[in-house]
Amino acid sequence: ETGVTQSPTHLIKTRGQQVTLRCSSQSGHNTVSWYQQALGQGPQFIFQYYREEENGRGNFPPRFSGLQFPNYSSELNVNALELDDSALYLCASSLQAVYTEAFFGQGTRLTVV
Amino acid sequence: GESVGLHLPTLSVQEGDNSIINCAYSNSASDYFIWYKQESGKGPQFIIDIRSNMDKRQGQRVTVLLNKTVKHLSLQIAATQPGDSAVYFCAEKDSNYQLIWGAGTKLIIKP
Repeated sequence: ETGVTQSPTHLIKTRGQQVTLRCSSQSGHNTVSWYQQALGQGPQFIFQYYREEENGRGNFPPRFSGLQFPNYSSELNVNALELDDSALYLCASSLQAVYTEAFFGQGTRLTVV
Repeated sequence: GESVGLHLPTLSVQEGDNSIINCAYSNSASDYFIWYKQESGKGPQFIIDIRSNMDKRQGQRVTVLLNKTVKHLSLQIAATQPGDSAVYFCAEKDSNYQLIWGAGTKLIIKP
């Protein structure tokens, strides 16, 4: 077990709705990254938070937003859900350094209908 | 932009044989590379990493080789077992501490 937990594990939403996904990072880690993984694809970087500030963002529209809290847990919010948002959403916690691996949670499977 | 890719989408290996999974990367400035294993329905699991100042690193039953001249990584799994069935990703960490991923190689173990 990595110590990174995500909730919920599965979720079904209707197009146009909003969703919030949650992640508890591993103890001692100050950086959280979120990824979207479509079926059969590699993870796509959404954004990263370091000490409660966003410090990197991938090619995702503004309706994807996030937060990091003082205890380094994090939320991913997606507004105006689209069918193509259906995917596995992964959270990874790490330290803000080059030579450190990221530890992943089990993911949240989001289905938009 | 820079990217990390994998040569083969699927690899079938006989149980007990060695597996070799390959990966090409394009950012010659990358300093750190990681191999992850992802089983169905689970998040990626760290396997082994290597820094750019090394060309080989060994773990338990796994070895990662780095060839900076041709920007190539490989993951070798010795005596492949049924539990090794998964999708394997290589990833590089960029200067912003973000991981850049390839599409993955699915490893299938034949009994």
